[in-house]
Amino acid sequence: DSGVTQTPKHLITATGQRVTLRCSPRSGDLSVYWYQQSLDQGLQFLIQYYNGEERAKGNILERFSAQQFPDLHSELNLSSLELGDSALYFCASSVEGGEQFFGPGTRLTVL
Amino acid sequence: DAKTTQPPSMDCAEGRAANLPCNHSTISGNEYVYWYRQIHSQGPQYIIHGLKNNETNEMASLIITEDRKSSTLILPHATLRDTAVYYCIVRVANHGNKLVFGAGTILRVKS
Repeated sequence: DSGVTQTPKHLITATGQRVTLRCSPRSGDLSVYWYQQSLDQGLQFLIQYYNGEERAKGNILERFSAQQFPDLHSELNLSSLELGDSALYFCASSVEGGEQFFGPGTRLTVL
Repeated sequence: DAKTTQPPSMDCAEGRAANLPCNHSTISGNEYVYWYRQIHSQGPQYIIHGLKNNETNEMASLIITEDRKSSTLILPHATLRDTAVYYCIVRVANHGNKLVFGAGTILRVKS
């Protein structure tokens, strides 16, 4: 158990819909990272937040957005969903510059 | 971040040492070698990291060549539960940046 929690575990939705994935970092970790893992693209970095502020952006689509709240939990919002958005979404957390600890992931299926 | 090259797959007998190689010939002086693994769609798990000296922890040992162009992760007594995809990643430590995952090495531990 890494100490990072993610909800929900599984999500099934339809094209065009919007979903929100939630992540609670390990106690004391100020950085939260979001990664997407699809069959054809592997594990890809989406975005990082540090203490509520956006720190780095990867290949995150404009339809996707994220935020980190004052209690340090983070949410990843995916809108106008397409079939290709079906993937595992992982959240990781770390102390400043430290090793990243990953949550169990949310499996999103878009039908 | 420097690019890494790993064999796509390896087999290891249960109870024997598993030696996973990684080439990183363009590594810079301030870049560390990190190893993570992912067991069947679970969140990636941090294993170990090092700069130039060999490192050992409760999970594994990391051997880095003197020229730092390659390294080997050693699982001293592999078990079936070590079957996973192992990722070798080069990055600047103490810098809250993303992890760039390649395809990794699929390690199959067989009884």
